[in-house]
Amino acid sequence: AQKVTQAQTEISVVEKEDVTLDCVYETRDTTYYLFWYKQPPSGELVFLIRRNSFDEQNEISGRYSWNFQKSTSSFNFTITASQVVDSAVYFCALSDENTGFQKLVFGTGTRLLVSP
Amino acid sequence: EAQVTQNPRYLITVTGKKLTVTCSQNMNHEYMSWYRQDPGLGLRQIYYSMNVEVTDKGDVPEGYKVSRKEKRNFPLILESPSPNQTSLYFCASKLGQSSYNEQFFGPGTRLTVL
Repeated sequence: AQKVTQAQTEISVVEKEDVTLDCVYETRDTTYYLFWYKQPPSGELVFLIRRNSFDEQNEISGRYSWNFQKSTSSFNFTITASQVVDSAVYFCALSDENTGFQKLVFGTGTRLLVSP
Repeated sequence: EAQVTQNPRYLITVTGKKLTVTCSQNMNHEYMSWYRQDPGLGLRQIYYSMNVEVTDKGDVPEGYKVSRKEKRNFPLILESPSPNQTSLYFCASKLGQSSYNEQFFGPGTRLTVL
């Protein structure tokens, strides 16, 4: 069965600090996709990144970076020099071959609070 | 503007009063899906549809119905709502069945069943 664990329920940082959000996943499939979504206080879900299981390259997009490690089944998300606008709930999600890629299995989310 | 729309955005109702939450996308996406978000549980899939007239159950389909008569619309029907269906509901769509394509989410519908 598929499972995504985000053990950090809530993280509080001060602006300009770096912060890493952890994501650990479980799947029996060799082909799968991992996603990160952001949910700001306004409530909508914003797609941030997609990674497939065959691509272990880390990715950097501005202040955001993602570290995908198959050996530890982790797909962690780092925000460098955090800003107040980064305050949101962040969800990690998995989609795999077992479900025909027809659903996203979400973690329970990590609430990030960035104070000035 | 490419988007997924949901209506209503907020709804307070009473137990047993049938309701429909509409979902529409203007991106010509084949795949659409409904999720509910509950504190401590993340988002869980209710139903999904791979194309017109093709629907299937997700992880928590009990108490819900869906239909897909047109490509752009995917309404969620609660025939007899109960308080445990109080939740934040999201509709989503993606281009095709392949998981390579990310899902685009609507703005959410906050439902309270008294």
